[in-house]
Amino acid sequence: DSGVTQTPKHLITATGQRVTLRCSPRSGDLSVYWYQQSLDQGLQFLIQYYNGEERAKGNILERFSAQQFPDLHSELNLSSLELGDSALYFCASSESGGDPNEQFFGPGTRLTVL
Amino acid sequence: SQKIEQNSEALNIQEGKTATLTCNYTNYSPAYLQWYRQDPGRGPVFLLLIRENEKEKRKERLKVTFDTTLKQSLFHITASQPADSATYLCALDEGTYKYIFGTGTRLKVLA
Repeated sequence: DSGVTQTPKHLITATGQRVTLRCSPRSGDLSVYWYQQSLDQGLQFLIQYYNGEERAKGNILERFSAQQFPDLHSELNLSSLELGDSALYFCASSESGGDPNEQFFGPGTRLTVL
Repeated sequence: SQKIEQNSEALNIQEGKTATLTCNYTNYSPAYLQWYRQDPGRGPVFLLLIRENEKEKRKERLKVTFDTTLKQSLFHITASQPADSATYLCALDEGTYKYIFGTGTRLKVLA
């Protein structure tokens, strides 16, 4: 158990819909990262937050947005969902945003878009 | 932009042998490389980190090397066991806190 929690575990929805994925980092960790993993793409970095502020942006679509709240939990919002958004979404946390950083991954949310 | 290449073909080895996995990157040498293990349907688990000024790092049966001339990191598991069967991912910080993961190499240790 990494100490990172993600809800929900599974999510099934339809194209065009909007969903929110939630992540609680390990106690004391200030950084939160979001990743998307699909079979053909591998683990893709989406975005990183550090202590409530956006720190780095990766291959995150404009239809996706995220935020980190004062209690350090984070939410990833996915809107206008498409079939291709079906994937495993992982959240990870680390102590700080600096180098180097061991990331602790949550169990993931499996999103299926029908 | 930086790219990571890992052998996408599965690696099958006999129990007790040493498994060697390769991670190649394409551009500038990162300040450090990380290796993670991922089991099916689960989140990656951190294993080892090696900095650019370290040639080799060990942890129990694991060993990582970092060759900035070859732009390559090798990951070794000695005395491999069936429980070591998993996908192993190489990762680096592209700079400005953007992380890149390789697609991973699936290792299967045969009893």
